[in-house]
Amino acid sequence: AGLTQPPSVSKDLGQTATLTCTGNSNNVGNQGAAWLQQHQGHPPKLLSYRNNNRPSDISERLSASRSGNTASLTITGLQPEDEADYYCSAWDTSLTAWVFGGGTKLTVL
Amino acid sequence: QVQLQESGPGLVKPSQTLSLTCTASGGSISSGDYYWSWIRQPAGKGLEWIGRIYISGSTNYNPSLKSRVTISIDTSKNQVSLMLSSVTAADTAVYYCARVVVPTQGHAFDIWGQGTLVTVSS
Repeated sequence: AGLTQPPSVSKDLGQTATLTCTGNSNNVGNQGAAWLQQHQGHPPKLLSYRNNNRPSDISERLSASRSGNTASLTITGLQPEDEADYYCSAWDTSLTAWVFGGGTKLTVL
Repeated sequence: QVQLQESGPGLVKPSQTLSLTCTASGGSISSGDYYWSWIRQPAGKGLEWIGRIYISGSTNYNPSLKSRVTISIDTSKNQVSLMLSSVTAADTAVYYCARVVVPTQGHAFDIWGQGTLVTVSS
């Protein structure tokens, strides 16, 4: 019972991409979601947590939000370095387990 | 800044037990502000949470792996360990150790190790 993410999103350089993550009332709707970025061959990196809190080293071009059971990550002014896999994660209070989305591959054209 | 390093055999035979260690440097794993988790990622696939441990020794495991997983903590060595029994080829993956901030502080995987590839093969 993982989270649902679109497998791929493609956007032009400089454009805005919005990635979505759908869960249920036991995970995203309850605890909010955290977003991770993973470049090929590297470990994931935390981008945001509790819906829209960013670690200090994360660009202000990234913002996160939640509406009901769906979390979103918006990246403005897309750069080549934004091309990566993006995962959402949430604690599931029913499973007492972390669940991940299947990941979205963001391509910057 | 805390750094995490996974270590262990890169090759495990089917039906045997996979054993990995995560060593923290630059900080103590004894802090009550964090959980310590194991996550794995098969080649070309997504992330799968394996389980977590708190400094108290309290654990939670992925329900699909619970019968085969044991996570332990050794504060004297600043290490967290993973054991996964009765492995099959389906357990072949890169295994990551990660720090998880407690819910009152944000509840997210904020620091990750570099990962270690474990292949299950005879």
